[in-house]
Amino acid sequence: DQQVKQNSPSLSVQEGRISILNCDYTNSMFDYFLWYKKYPAEGPTFLISISSIKDKNEDGRFTVFLNKSAKHLSLHIVPSQPGDSAVYFCAASPNSGGSNYKLTFGKGTLLTVNP
Amino acid sequence: NAGVMQNPRHLVRRRGQEARLRCSPMKGHSHVYWYRQLPEEGLKFMVYLQKENIIDESGMPKERFSAEFPKEGPSILRIQQVVRGDSAAYFCASSPPSGTGYEQYFGPGTRLTVT
Repeated sequence: DQQVKQNSPSLSVQEGRISILNCDYTNSMFDYFLWYKKYPAEGPTFLISISSIKDKNEDGRFTVFLNKSAKHLSLHIVPSQPGDSAVYFCAASPNSGGSNYKLTFGKGTLLTVNP
Repeated sequence: NAGVMQNPRHLVRRRGQEARLRCSPMKGHSHVYWYRQLPEEGLKFMVYLQKENIIDESGMPKERFSAEFPKEGPSILRIQQVVRGDSAAYFCASSPPSGTGYEQYFGPGTRLTVT
């Protein structure tokens, strides 16, 4: 049972354009969400996060939007750069009940930014 | 400030052998987490340890897998009598003692191949 879903295995965009990566979740206990970026042969690195009490969080070129009623979040990267080419993982945490460390990851979306 | 270190980076074992994966957390971090990523899948939580204590092993397979984080030295994930299905990337993450739990820093992973 996949509780965090990233339905697009891959996405290709042109440099300078916007990249939009999507993520859906099913577990209502999730209330903190994170995006990780992963290059080949490296571990995931934290990119940006959002709490369920917010609907938007912005950090430079990266913005995460959360639609709690739809159980959907998205990561926007603008403008996209070739160095952004990586696998992006959406992860969720049940930020209550003492198990907020137990991150649940999606399968990832491979973003390719073409020069 | 060195990040999370894992070794070996690649490990090849024959079926029935033992695999030992090591993880040194970031300096000052006392919480360690192990995740497994099967091919084409997202990372899945296995176990959460603090020094000399297993806090949550709910994601660990019931047999053949064990983990420890001794008072001195790295955390060890041990897989006995490996089978082909154990082939995966194993990631370790660490977090500071005063952290939020979901603020986890990942190592580069160990790729285990069982032949």
